[in-house]
Amino acid sequence: KAGVTQTPRYLIKTRGQQVTLSCSPISGHRSVSWYQQTPGQGLQFLFEYFSETQRNKGNFPGRFSGRQFSNSRSEMNVSTLELGDSALYLCASSLAAGTGGSYGYTFGSGTRLTVV
Amino acid sequence: DAKTTQPPSMDCAEGRAANLPCNHSTISGNEYVYWYRQIHSQGPQYIIHGLKNNETNEMASLIITEDRKSSTLILPHATLRDTAVYYCIVRVATAGANNLFFGTGTRLTVIP
Repeated sequence: KAGVTQTPRYLIKTRGQQVTLSCSPISGHRSVSWYQQTPGQGLQFLFEYFSETQRNKGNFPGRFSGRQFSNSRSEMNVSTLELGDSALYLCASSLAAGTGGSYGYTFGSGTRLTVV
Repeated sequence: DAKTTQPPSMDCAEGRAANLPCNHSTISGNEYVYWYRQIHSQGPQYIIHGLKNNETNEMASLIITEDRKSSTLILPHATLRDTAVYYCIVRVATAGANNLFFGTGTRLTVIP
């Protein structure tokens, strides 16, 4: 079956612009999480969506937002881009959100965003 | 959130077993230990996870101590393709909070 698909793979934006990244989870997966990876901070959790609702949010400014559609596809948006937003943005999907610990996450290959 | 401690780097000879340790001394009773790895410029890849018992799959074995304060990921016959950053993660098993907290991981280099 198809894996987690993230588009675009690469993106170059100018400071002050906004950007929208897309993530299509594995068929049947209803939970989508977003992560930011930078050389200095490593992998950091942004937010998680399940059934079109944001379930949890990491410690990022309000410029970072997301949403999930009824087909479980998710988008994340970054407004007023800053140079420090240059990073690899990763999306992960899993079967469900909840108390169970038995669900693994499948990550996409990421979108590499460069802000100039 | 329970934190993990891993050595920053390790080397392993090709064909030998790679044993990657992880300390998670503050782990709670309902938290699982997950292992992921990330090969350069790719998304993290799930390897294995466990709660109390040792686990084995086609990729690796996971040994969890009886007090659950530490674990070891074992790659039985390391190959060059196993060169990656390995992350040990203790998952916060809270309703609606499925986020993974990645630490700095262990950079494993498999040497020919």
